[in-house]
Amino acid sequence: GAVVSQHPSWVICKSGTSVKIECRSLDFQATTMFWYRQFPKQSLMLMATSNEGSKATYEQGVEKDKFLINHASLTLSTLTVTSAHPEDSSFYICSARDYGASGAYNEQFFGPGTRLTVL
Amino acid sequence: QKEVEQNSGPLSVPEGAIASLNCTYSDRGSQSFFWYRQYSGKSPELIMSIYSNGDKEDGRFTAQLNKASQYVSLLIRDSQPSDSATYLCAASGGYNKLIFGAGTRLAVHP
Repeated sequence: GAVVSQHPSWVICKSGTSVKIECRSLDFQATTMFWYRQFPKQSLMLMATSNEGSKATYEQGVEKDKFLINHASLTLSTLTVTSAHPEDSSFYICSARDYGASGAYNEQFFGPGTRLTVL
Repeated sequence: QKEVEQNSGPLSVPEGAIASLNCTYSDRGSQSFFWYRQYSGKSPELIMSIYSNGDKEDGRFTAQLNKASQYVSLLIRDSQPSDSATYLCAASGGYNKLIFGAGTRLAVHP
């Protein structure tokens, strides 16, 4: 149980284009999902908390107009990187909280990640 | 600023030995703690969670929590080369978020 998928697993795009990344909880409902970014040899950086049916909560310093998050259902959250630039190249990882199984204990299960390269 | 501190390593242990990974956290309000394993180029995988003081064992892994000292540890018994990875410690940080440490790189050599 507690499987999270992400699509695509990797993407290469030209500077100025937009890229959409999907995060799905496959065997549980996730009212809350999280989006992280990780640069090489660095730790995870939380970008935003995605709440089903409401606006995402962004961490300080993360541009909400550049990183659009939509959590339209209990099993799907999407991150769209708009007008991507080479400095946006990174490993983007989503996680989901299995509220039904773990209650208030905050366990997060991660997707396999999406490696974005902006040329 | 809520923080989780870990020694970056690398921690090098011989195969079959016990690997001991440690972490401290700053927020006394944290109630739940997690250890994630991350192989190079992959996403983190949850391996242990602990919520109350004391030890929690799962196979070769034992998590230890001391809330008074704000200290969490992970012991890996009979370490194998396949355990070589970066281990991330995380503490609950409010609003359902987790605060991650920078990770400790473990190298198990044959």
